[in-house]
This record gives sequence, C-alpha cells and structure tokens, in this order.
Amino acid sequence: EAQVTQNPRYLITVTGKKLTVTCSQNMNHEYMSWYRQDPGLGLRQIYYSMNVEVTDKGDVPEGYKVSRKEKRNFPLILESPSPNQTSLYFCASSHLLGVETQYFGPGTRLLVL
Amino acid sequence: SQQGEEDPQALSIQEGENATMNCSYKTSINNLQWYRQNSGRGLVHLILIRSNEREKHSGRLRVTLDTSKKSSSLLITASRAADTASYFCATGGDSGGYQKVTFGTGTKLQVIP
Repeated sequence: EAQVTQNPRYLITVTGKKLTVTCSQNMNHEYMSWYRQDPGLGLRQIYYSMNVEVTDKGDVPEGYKVSRKEKRNFPLILESPSPNQTSLYFCASSHLLGVETQYFGPGTRLLVL
Repeated sequence: SQQGEEDPQALSIQEGENATMNCSYKTSINNLQWYRQNSGRGLVHLILIRSNEREKHSGRLRVTLDTSKKSSSLLITASRAADTASYFCATGGDSGGYQKVTFGTGTKLQVIP
C-alpha cells in the first residue's frame, strides 16, 4: 500500500530536549516536505527536499533541522524544542514533477512543556 | 507567507444541500488544488485545476478558477455527513525553478445529518 508514515504520532516533551520525528514513504518520491499546522494559520512549510542530499528552507525553518540521506526517509529534528513549537506536524511526498499532488502522512502531534 | 485564503472559515449545512467554499490568492499561479482533512488527520488531495482551465468536475465536486479575480471555488453537491471535514486550497507556482505549493487556512465544513 502506497503510504507516508510518521513516528511518533503523539509526543510530549520538555523544553530543550532534542527530538526527532521520522517520516518514510514507499512511493519512490523525489520530493518530500514537512509542514506544521496551527489553528488559524493553516499549513506552513518548514523544510523540503527535492532529492537525496538536497534540502532547502520553507517558510518557517527556524528551530528545525532535516536530513535526506535516503530517498525514502526525511526526518525532522528539533535540537532544542521550545513551547512555540507545540503543533501538529505533517510530512508529505510527491514526484518532483507532481509537487501539486502531495501525499500526506497521518500527522504527529507535539506538545513541548 | 500565506497565499490562499478560504472563505468562509466555517460552514454548517444540512445533509443534501450544496456547500460552496471560496479561495482567494495574491500572486500568479500555475495551478490550484483543493485538499480535504478529516479532523486531525493528514490532508488528502481532491482535485487540481490548471491556470488555463476555468472549471473542472470530479464526482460531486466542481471547481472553478477565475485567474482575473485570483479566486477559486469548490462546490460539493448533495452533501453527506461524511463530507464533514476541513477543506484547504493550495496554490502552485514557480519559485526558484521548482513548483512551490502554498496552503491556505481552510474552511471547516459541518454537514448535519
């Protein structure tokens, strides 16, 4: 089954404790992206990757890191989480020539205390 | 920065009625898409309309695009309780040589049985 998976689905942590949210897709997609969703603000892009070892900042990259060592995986790293990073996070993927049709993961709900 | 803004923010209708949601955007686009999100879950791609198209249909969905007014509408006919969800428009445009997709803030639709 074609899908994007994220782990964990729910996470409660404390300020400053490094965490990683994993994202994996099985559709051989070149393009992968991370979004955060906050009430009233819609989805905002954090980082994206157009292929292995190619990543770039989205609209709200501060406080986040990503890596793309393998085509199927695109982890999101919060080196020192802060309460303003409490949000619902989505990973998405698509073919590079089909970025307008993205497949989304189920979401990771993060609470930073 | 947000590109699409949906209107209304929330909509409540009776089952069987039609639901219309609007999306306005600011800059020129290559295409516009509509996504659906069930509560707290990942977005699902519904339909894409290209900038040279004026109307597109998919089942009970009808999308129009008016590039002169920089607006689009999504019509769901004969709504069902299962249509209850948030609906997002997303615009696709050129950004540094690749297609950038920017999501709006969404319309929350409630269909009352």
